[in-house]
Amino acid sequence: GAGVSQSPSNKVTEKGKDVELRCDPISGHTALYWYRQRLGQGLEFLIYFQGNSAPDKSGLPSDRFSAERTGESVSTLTIQRTQQEDSAVYLCASSLLGGPRNEQFFGPGTRLTVL
Amino acid sequence: AQSVTQPDIHITVSEGASLELRCNYSYGATPYLFWYVQSPGQGLQLLLKYFSGDTLVQGIKGFEAEFKRSQSSFNLRKPSVHWSDAAEYFCAVAPGNAGNMLTFGGGTRLMVKP
Repeated sequence: GAGVSQSPSNKVTEKGKDVELRCDPISGHTALYWYRQRLGQGLEFLIYFQGNSAPDKSGLPSDRFSAERTGESVSTLTIQRTQQEDSAVYLCASSLLGGPRNEQFFGPGTRLTVL
Repeated sequence: AQSVTQPDIHITVSEGASLELRCNYSYGATPYLFWYVQSPGQGLQLLLKYFSGDTLVQGIKGFEAEFKRSQSSFNLRKPSVHWSDAAEYFCAVAPGNAGNMLTFGGGTRLMVKP
């Protein structure tokens, strides 16, 4: 009965380095979302995966950000050439089906600090 | 584009007092509306949601919210706050029957005085 898990829980990196963040959704959930939460702010949508459909990348802030998902399993969010403004908590959520009527279950997040 | 405003960044209430957290949205049609709670060290948890129908919705932990179309608001209420309600609360909106992502407000941090 595991929920959404994310790793690492904390990541400290130097400016200019690449980082990979991992999300394990709830088993059987077809939809997966990535959000970013900057300090003291609400969540910003980044990307959405639904089954085998092309992902909705409309929230990715720059071409340094990319994400992959293999089938209906694990997803990785990659940030290349990290900048200090990338420092935030990155949250992953999954839902049984896509679309806003289906409850999104959130993971605990990965706190990224770029020095 | 849709947007969500939570005017109160911080709110402090005494334990046992009533609570109302404000949320206003901007969207052309009736969106889907949500309230989430984020407790320290924990992920976001859905408190309640509104899609259509009865404008007063009940959620978990004794919370309720009322959709007022004329005011573009979806305020969260609780008649009697418990110390364990101290957390950050987020209002979110999704375009009804279209689009996939949630747009979140900036959050309201609730502190509860003993």
